[in-house]
Amino acid sequence: NAGVTQTPKFQVLKTGQSMTLQCAQDMNHEYMSWYRQDPGMGLRLIHYSVGAGITDQGEVPNGYNVSRSTTEDFPLRLLSAAPSQTSVYFCASSYGGNGYTFGSGTRLTVV
Amino acid sequence: GQQLNQSPQSMFIQEGEDVSMNCTSSSIFNTWLWYKQDPGEGPVLLIALYKAGELTSNGRLTAQFGTTRKDSFLNISASIPSDVGIYFCAGLFTGNQFYFGTGTSLTVIP
Repeated sequence: NAGVTQTPKFQVLKTGQSMTLQCAQDMNHEYMSWYRQDPGMGLRLIHYSVGAGITDQGEVPNGYNVSRSTTEDFPLRLLSAAPSQTSVYFCASSYGGNGYTFGSGTRLTVV
Repeated sequence: GQQLNQSPQSMFIQEGEDVSMNCTSSSIFNTWLWYKQDPGEGPVLLIALYKAGELTSNGRLTAQFGTTRKDSFLNISASIPSDVGIYFCAGLFTGNQFYFGTGTSLTVIP
């Protein structure tokens, strides 16, 4: 039982490059979300999905896109990376109000 | 979004001491959660609380759902070095979207 799997664990991008952060869960959870974690800022919600085919914006969605074609996968796309997007990104999933299971994170640096 | 204020922001304690931290909200919640994040890892759920006034323990950890439904508390007794990490509170009113506090960073000095 893998839980929530995020890839890659580390990534360095140049300003303007695009990339996709992958997230997959094997728990058949309907709800999935992406957070970014910055020092002193806690966890801020980027985008979330309540089920396949449904996505919505969170607190800090600008510069990011998501899609949810299957229950298992919820990729996060950076369209044109900026230094302000240097952060640690966490994917999480849940079923009902039972709390989130988090992945181990992707540490992204934009230079 | 909802504002959750955690305090203190950071704590430096001696091994064996007890720890107390809290989380307050401007809105009421129906569920409170406490997470711990080890360095370089994602947050892991410690305790879930579902009813106002509820007191729940997990080993040396005890958490309480405040009676006003706008706050929650976490206590750690007899701290040990592996308690080091960031502790997050999270609140839920309805549905699936939890709101997170800014975290309390705990350092335990052997």
